[in-house]
Amino acid sequence: NAGVMQNPRHLVRRRGQEARLRCSPMKGHSHVYWYRQLPEEGLKFMVYLQKENIIDESGMPKERFSAEFPKEGPSILRIQQVVRGDSAAYFCASSRDRAYPGNTIYFGEGSWLTVV
Amino acid sequence: AQKVTQAQTEISVVEKEDVTLDCVYETRDTTYYLFWYKQPPSGELVFLIRRNSFDEQNEISGRYSWNFQKSTSSFNFTITASQVVDSAVYFCALSEAGYSSASKIIFGSGTRLSIRP
Repeated sequence: NAGVMQNPRHLVRRRGQEARLRCSPMKGHSHVYWYRQLPEEGLKFMVYLQKENIIDESGMPKERFSAEFPKEGPSILRIQQVVRGDSAAYFCASSRDRAYPGNTIYFGEGSWLTVV
Repeated sequence: AQKVTQAQTEISVVEKEDVTLDCVYETRDTTYYLFWYKQPPSGELVFLIRRNSFDEQNEISGRYSWNFQKSTSSFNFTITASQVVDSAVYFCALSEAGYSSASKIIFGSGTRLSIRP
């Protein structure tokens, strides 16, 4: 899983603030995935993006959450007006080719969001 | 519907004991992949193994071994001669082959393994 860079690793936000989490995929990878891990739970899929396109956002909450993967720069997961329930670890993963079960996807080390 | 069940929430064993982590999955697809990941206390996800649905051969990697049985929809993970460094949360996961579902890995809720010295 070396190579997928996430920052910040730890982020503290007050209720109502905005949180921005960044993910730089591995070199040569143009597919990015975001997962959320609530405390004491497994990871849950949120969104799958390719450069400049959202391919699958079926796991994204309907409000306050958005994701982008611009042509240049990292993928950004943005959470507006954070609430305590948003406190979780957010993992980014990337792959070279489009999502396919046989492809290896590589996870970053995660970003831990704490809402106080 | 796809689902991964890890019934063991926590396991604690003494060092050098063998331990098996259970994983049961549900899927309607005939083509799918199963995974195991390790999450040590530092928090990152460490990939351990990927197995496709057409390969039921058991796999051994050092002290780790995996038993895949389609008849019981299980993909169990055994650590032989456990060590303190094996202490972590272990996740079993499933990915299906359909275009709309290939992007999603379905994770179980994890088993927290503690190895006591």
